[in-house]
Amino acid sequence: QTVVTQEPSLTVSPGGTVTLTCASSAGAVTSGYYPSWFQQKPGQAPRALIYSVNNKHSWTPARFSGSLLGDKAVLTLSGAQPEDEAEYYCLFYYGDSQVWVFGGGTKLTVL
Amino acid sequence: EVQLVESGGGLVKPGGSLRLSCAASGFTFRNAYMAWVRQAPGKGLEWVGRIRDKTDGGATEYAAPVKGRISISRDDSKDILYLQINGLQTEDTAVYYCAIDHERISSTVVAPLQHWGQGTLVTVSS
Repeated sequence: QTVVTQEPSLTVSPGGTVTLTCASSAGAVTSGYYPSWFQQKPGQAPRALIYSVNNKHSWTPARFSGSLLGDKAVLTLSGAQPEDEAEYYCLFYYGDSQVWVFGGGTKLTVL
Repeated sequence: EVQLVESGGGLVKPGGSLRLSCAASGFTFRNAYMAWVRQAPGKGLEWVGRIRDKTDGGATEYAAPVKGRISISRDDSKDILYLQINGLQTEDTAVYYCAIDHERISSTVVAPLQHWGQGTLVTVSS
């Protein structure tokens, strides 16, 4: 099965900017993978943040944005808040097998 | 408001079977593709599989690691999603979430897994 790779951990200062990336072992990430991002805090169900590269849900804070950069999907957090400390997962769709595959997750610390 | 409530988790011996349920409300269940996602303790998220709606034949797709041991089904008359797991192994220990697999916004925009239940814990241990 295809592997989706994220940074295991990142740290950002309050008010700072951080970029999380997501790569596919199948090659360059394109919009056809419908790259999506999820936030999960301890003891809670995941919450969808970004879908299809750069679309936000109604509940997604404006400080989160998504994009493609090079051959990866990117989640950018601008103006980090203490409440943004969480695990972040990306998700890709592989059309040939019609499955979704999550990345391993990035533990983001706001410190 | 979309609500998804999982049930059926518990302690099961290796080799056993279990059926999880997910009661759905707040949306037109029969028109939705539904999915199961699991998370082992301290580990990441793993999409397990989906079932399509009846207009797409109710077809199922499963992740490679679980294919052959799990079966997803649905009862549209009761708005309930099911996950049957056979031959349970210790590595199947996880919180199992149900979710709406995706919503197609346009020909090029898809929103996956927007709504999740709170999950039900399955523990496989002797």
